[in-house]
Amino acid sequence: DGGITQSPKYLFRKEGQNVTLSCEQNLNHDAMYWYRQDPGQGLRLIYYSQIVNDFQKGDIAEGYSVSREKKESFPLTVTSAQKNPTAFYLCASSPQVSGANVLTFGAGSRLTVL
Amino acid sequence: AQKITQTQPGMFVQEKEAVTLDCTYDTSDPSYGLFWYKQPSSGEMIFLIYQGSYDQQNATEGRYSLNFQKARKSANLVISASQLGDSAMYFCAMREGLSNSGYALNFGKGTSLLVTP
Repeated sequence: DGGITQSPKYLFRKEGQNVTLSCEQNLNHDAMYWYRQDPGQGLRLIYYSQIVNDFQKGDIAEGYSVSREKKESFPLTVTSAQKNPTAFYLCASSPQVSGANVLTFGAGSRLTVL
Repeated sequence: AQKITQTQPGMFVQEKEAVTLDCTYDTSDPSYGLFWYKQPSSGEMIFLIYQGSYDQQNATEGRYSLNFQKARKSANLVISASQLGDSAMYFCAMREGLSNSGYALNFGKGTSLLVTP
Protein backbone atom coordinates (compact mmCIF):
# COMPACT_ATOMS: atom_id res chain seq x y z
CA ASP A 1 0.00 0.00 0.00
CA GLY A 2 1.26 3.48 -0.83
CA GLY A 3 1.69 5.91 1.97
CA ILE A 4 3.93 7.89 4.27
CA THR A 5 5.85 6.34 7.13
CA GLN A 6 7.04 8.47 10.01
CA SER A 7 9.31 7.19 12.73
CA PRO A 8 9.63 7.09 15.61
CA LYS A 9 6.03 7.53 16.74
CA TYR A 10 7.15 8.74 20.18
CA LEU A 11 10.50 10.28 21.05
CA PHE A 12 11.92 11.66 24.26
CA ARG A 13 14.89 13.98 24.25
CA LYS A 14 16.99 15.72 26.83
CA GLU A 15 17.55 19.42 26.48
CA GLY A 16 20.57 20.22 24.32
CA GLN A 17 20.29 17.12 22.13
CA ASN A 18 19.57 17.07 18.41
CA VAL A 19 17.01 14.54 17.19
CA THR A 20 16.09 13.42 13.69
CA LEU A 21 12.56 12.45 12.67
CA SER A 22 12.26 10.15 9.69
CA CYS A 23 9.72 10.55 6.86
CA GLU A 24 9.56 8.13 3.93
CA GLN A 25 6.96 8.03 1.15
CA ASN A 26 6.30 5.52 -1.62
CA LEU A 27 3.67 7.57 -3.43
CA ASN A 28 6.13 8.90 -6.03
CA HIS A 29 5.23 12.43 -4.94
CA ASP A 30 7.58 15.25 -5.85
CA ALA A 31 6.76 17.58 -2.95
CA MET A 32 7.20 16.90 0.76
CA TYR A 33 6.41 18.99 3.83
CA TRP A 34 6.96 19.15 7.56
CA TYR A 35 4.36 20.65 9.87
CA ARG A 36 4.36 21.21 13.59
CA GLN A 37 1.17 20.94 15.65
CA ASP A 38 0.73 22.41 19.12
CA PRO A 39 -2.53 22.27 21.11
CA GLY A 40 -4.89 24.99 19.93
CA GLN A 41 -2.47 26.18 17.25
CA GLY A 42 -3.39 24.15 14.22
CA LEU A 43 -0.59 23.08 11.85
CA ARG A 44 2.33 25.35 11.08
CA LEU A 45 4.73 24.82 8.17
CA ILE A 46 8.37 24.20 9.10
CA TYR A 47 10.01 23.28 5.77
CA TYR A 48 8.95 22.08 2.37
CA SER A 49 10.67 20.57 -0.64
CA GLN A 50 9.36 20.62 -4.17
CA ILE A 51 12.14 18.59 -5.72
CA VAL A 52 15.14 16.49 -4.76
CA ASN A 53 18.12 18.47 -3.45
CA ASP A 54 16.02 21.58 -2.93
CA PHE A 55 14.03 22.76 0.09
CA GLN A 56 12.60 26.01 1.41
CA LYS A 57 11.89 27.44 4.83
CA GLY A 58 8.31 27.65 5.99
CA ASP A 59 6.84 29.90 8.64
CA ILE A 60 8.67 28.47 11.67
CA ALA A 61 12.00 27.08 10.36
CA GLU A 62 14.23 28.42 13.14
CA GLY A 63 15.87 25.61 15.10
CA TYR A 64 15.10 22.97 12.46
CA SER A 65 17.00 21.53 9.50
CA VAL A 66 16.09 19.16 6.67
CA SER A 67 17.63 17.34 3.73
CA ARG A 68 16.16 15.93 0.52
CA GLU A 69 18.77 13.62 -0.99
CA LYS A 70 16.21 11.13 -2.28
CA LYS A 71 12.71 11.63 -3.65
CA GLU A 72 11.29 9.22 -1.08
CA SER A 73 12.88 10.69 2.02
CA PHE A 74 12.64 14.02 3.86
CA PRO A 75 14.12 13.78 7.38
CA LEU A 76 13.69 16.60 9.88
CA THR A 77 16.33 17.40 12.50
CA VAL A 78 15.19 19.26 15.59
CA THR A 79 18.30 21.01 16.83
CA SER A 80 19.19 22.24 20.30
CA ALA A 81 18.53 25.75 19.00
CA GLN A 82 14.80 25.06 18.89
CA LYS A 83 13.58 26.70 22.09
CA ASN A 84 10.36 24.78 22.55
CA PRO A 85 10.56 21.53 20.60
CA THR A 86 7.90 19.54 22.45
CA ALA A 87 5.17 19.08 19.84
CA PHE A 88 3.49 16.72 17.38
CA TYR A 89 5.28 16.64 14.02
CA LEU A 90 3.50 15.73 10.81
CA CYS A 91 5.13 14.92 7.49
CA ALA A 92 3.15 15.16 4.24
CA SER A 93 3.67 14.74 0.52
CA SER A 94 1.83 15.79 -2.62
CA PRO A 95 2.16 15.65 -6.39
CA GLN A 96 3.43 18.87 -7.95
CA VAL A 97 0.21 19.86 -9.64
CA SER A 98 -2.09 22.81 -9.42
CA GLY A 99 -5.73 22.44 -8.53
CA ALA A 100 -6.65 19.83 -5.96
CA ASN A 101 -3.12 19.26 -4.78
CA VAL A 102 -4.11 17.03 -1.88
CA LEU A 103 -1.51 16.56 0.82
CA THR A 104 -1.20 13.00 2.15
CA PHE A 105 -0.01 12.86 5.75
CA GLY A 106 1.92 10.38 7.83
CA ALA A 107 0.76 9.27 11.27
CA GLY A 108 2.99 11.78 13.04
CA SER A 109 5.84 11.77 15.56
CA ARG A 110 5.35 13.07 19.07
CA LEU A 111 8.50 14.64 20.52
CA THR A 112 8.80 15.36 24.23
CA VAL A 113 11.75 17.23 25.68
CA LEU A 114 12.49 16.26 29.27
CA ALA B 1 -2.27 37.75 9.72
CA GLN B 2 -4.39 34.63 10.08
CA LYS B 3 -5.47 33.47 6.65
CA ILE B 4 -7.86 30.76 7.81
CA THR B 5 -10.25 31.40 10.70
CA GLN B 6 -12.25 28.73 12.44
CA THR B 7 -14.31 30.44 15.11
CA GLN B 8 -15.77 27.35 16.80
CA PRO B 9 -13.23 25.72 19.13
CA GLY B 10 -15.75 22.97 19.98
CA MET B 11 -19.08 21.71 18.69
CA PHE B 12 -21.58 19.09 19.82
CA VAL B 13 -24.04 17.29 17.60
CA GLN B 14 -26.41 14.44 18.19
CA GLU B 15 -26.01 11.27 16.18
CA LYS B 16 -27.91 11.33 12.84
CA GLU B 17 -28.18 15.12 12.88
CA ALA B 18 -26.39 17.46 10.46
CA VAL B 19 -23.69 19.86 11.63
CA THR B 20 -21.95 22.83 10.03
CA LEU B 21 -18.34 23.71 10.83
CA ASP B 22 -17.42 27.29 9.97
CA CYS B 23 -14.38 28.46 8.03
CA THR B 24 -13.55 31.90 6.68
CA TYR B 25 -10.45 32.73 4.70
CA ASP B 26 -8.48 35.75 3.63
CA THR B 27 -6.75 36.04 0.27
CA SER B 28 -6.42 38.50 -2.58
CA ASP B 29 -5.31 35.75 -4.97
CA PRO B 30 -8.05 34.94 -7.54
CA SER B 31 -6.81 31.34 -7.76
CA TYR B 32 -6.92 29.28 -4.59
CA GLY B 33 -8.10 25.98 -3.21
CA LEU B 34 -9.87 25.15 0.02
CA PHE B 35 -9.53 21.84 1.85
CA TRP B 36 -11.02 20.14 4.87
CA TYR B 37 -9.16 17.51 6.88
CA LYS B 38 -10.28 15.33 9.77
CA GLN B 39 -7.91 14.42 12.61
CA PRO B 40 -9.07 11.60 14.91
CA SER B 41 -7.47 11.17 18.31
CA SER B 42 -4.86 8.87 16.74
CA GLY B 43 -3.35 11.92 15.06
CA GLU B 44 -3.34 11.18 11.35
CA MET B 45 -4.80 13.79 9.01
CA ILE B 46 -7.51 12.50 6.69
CA PHE B 47 -8.48 14.48 3.59
CA LEU B 48 -12.22 15.01 3.29
CA ILE B 49 -13.10 17.48 0.55
CA TYR B 50 -11.70 20.11 -1.83
CA GLN B 51 -13.15 23.25 -3.42
CA GLY B 52 -11.39 25.28 -6.09
CA SER B 53 -11.98 29.02 -6.31
CA TYR B 54 -13.24 28.73 -9.88
CA ASP B 55 -15.53 25.78 -9.24
CA GLN B 56 -19.11 26.74 -9.98
CA GLN B 57 -20.72 24.08 -7.86
CA ASN B 58 -20.27 23.30 -4.19
CA ALA B 59 -18.13 20.22 -3.64
CA THR B 60 -19.70 17.07 -2.20
CA GLU B 61 -18.12 13.80 -1.06
CA GLY B 62 -20.57 11.32 0.42
CA ARG B 63 -21.88 12.78 3.70
CA TYR B 64 -19.58 15.81 3.39
CA SER B 65 -20.43 18.94 1.48
CA LEU B 66 -18.75 22.30 1.30
CA ASN B 67 -20.91 25.42 1.46
CA PHE B 68 -18.74 27.76 -0.61
CA GLN B 69 -19.72 31.44 -0.49
CA LYS B 70 -17.02 33.21 -2.45
CA ALA B 71 -18.18 36.78 -1.87
CA ARG B 72 -18.24 36.19 1.89
CA LYS B 73 -14.96 34.24 1.75
CA SER B 74 -16.47 31.36 3.60
CA ALA B 75 -16.09 27.61 3.08
CA ASN B 76 -18.16 25.84 5.69
CA LEU B 77 -18.13 22.05 6.00
CA VAL B 78 -21.50 20.36 6.35
CA ILE B 79 -21.60 16.82 7.71
CA SER B 80 -24.95 15.14 7.23
CA ALA B 81 -26.28 12.23 9.28
CA SER B 82 -23.51 12.45 11.90
CA GLN B 83 -22.00 9.23 13.20
CA LEU B 84 -20.13 8.54 16.42
CA GLY B 85 -16.99 7.99 14.34
CA ASP B 86 -17.18 11.59 13.15
CA SER B 87 -15.93 12.76 16.57
CA ALA B 88 -12.56 14.36 15.79
CA MET B 89 -10.75 17.62 15.13
CA TYR B 90 -11.59 19.24 11.80
CA PHE B 91 -9.22 21.58 10.01
CA CYS B 92 -9.92 23.99 7.19
CA ALA B 93 -6.94 24.80 4.96
CA MET B 94 -6.13 26.92 1.94
CA ARG B 95 -3.59 26.84 -0.87
CA GLU B 96 -3.04 30.07 -2.77
CA GLY B 97 -2.01 30.09 -6.41
CA LEU B 98 0.61 32.80 -5.82
CA SER B 99 1.85 31.40 -2.54
CA ASN B 100 5.51 31.70 -1.63
CA SER B 101 5.23 28.29 0.04
CA GLY B 102 4.93 26.13 -3.06
CA TYR B 103 1.90 23.90 -2.79
CA ALA B 104 1.86 23.89 1.01
CA LEU B 105 -1.42 24.40 2.82
CA ASN B 106 -2.19 27.10 5.36
CA PHE B 107 -4.30 25.62 8.18
CA GLY B 108 -6.82 27.04 10.61
CA LYS B 109 -6.71 26.21 14.32
CA GLY B 110 -9.39 23.57 14.03
CA THR B 111 -12.79 22.72 15.49
CA SER B 112 -13.30 19.82 17.86
CA LEU B 113 -16.50 17.93 17.04
CA LEU B 114 -18.15 15.58 19.49
CA VAL B 115 -21.00 13.39 18.29
CA THR B 116 -23.28 12.20 21.10
CA PRO B 117 -25.63 9.19 21.06
